[in-house]
Amino acid sequence: AQKITQTQPGMFVQEKEAVTLDCTYDTSDQSYGLFWYKQPSSGEMIFLIYQGSYDEQNATEGRYSLNFQKARKSANLVISASQLGDSAMYFCAMRGLRSGYNKLIFGAGTRLAVHP
Amino acid sequence: EAQVTQNPRYLITVTGKKLTVTCSQNMNHEYMSWYRQDPGLGLRQIYYSMNVEVTDKGDVPEGYKVSRKEKRNFPLILESPSPNQTSLYFCASSFRMTSGVGYTGELFFGEGSRLTVL
Repeated sequence: AQKITQTQPGMFVQEKEAVTLDCTYDTSDQSYGLFWYKQPSSGEMIFLIYQGSYDEQNATEGRYSLNFQKARKSANLVISASQLGDSAMYFCAMRGLRSGYNKLIFGAGTRLAVHP
Repeated sequence: EAQVTQNPRYLITVTGKKLTVTCSQNMNHEYMSWYRQDPGLGLRQIYYSMNVEVTDKGDVPEGYKVSRKEKRNFPLILESPSPNQTSLYFCASSFRMTSGVGYTGELFFGEGSRLTVL
């Protein structure tokens, strides 16, 4: 079965420091995509970053980077230079060949608090 | 502006009173889907549609119906809502993804509809 595991229900970090949010996934697909979404307190889902299973380099988008370790099936999100506006819920998700790419499977989420 | 629009954003209703949550996208996406979000469970897929007149069940379809008569619209219907359907609902869309190589398959989400069933 396909599954996403986020083991950190809550994290906190000091402003301007880096933080890593953990994500491990379980799939037998060879072709899949991994996503991170941010959900601020207002509720909307904001796409942050994507990593394809065939991508050899780690994805980066501004202050966000994805530490992709395929053999370990992990896709950790690294936020550098945290800002107060980064306080939110963060979801890791996967979309794979087995489901015809028709389903985005989500983890339970990690709530990040950035302290001044 | 490219967007997915859901209505209503907030709704309080009573058990058994049929309701429809509308979803519309203006990006010409083939794929649309509904998710519900519950604390500690993340988002779970209710139904999805790969194109007009093509729909299929997700992981938690019980108590819901959908239709896809037009490409841009994908309404979610609760024929007889019950308190366990109290949740935050999201509609999402994307281009149809046929390969995991070189294409993000990013889902664009609506702003969410918070439904309370008393």
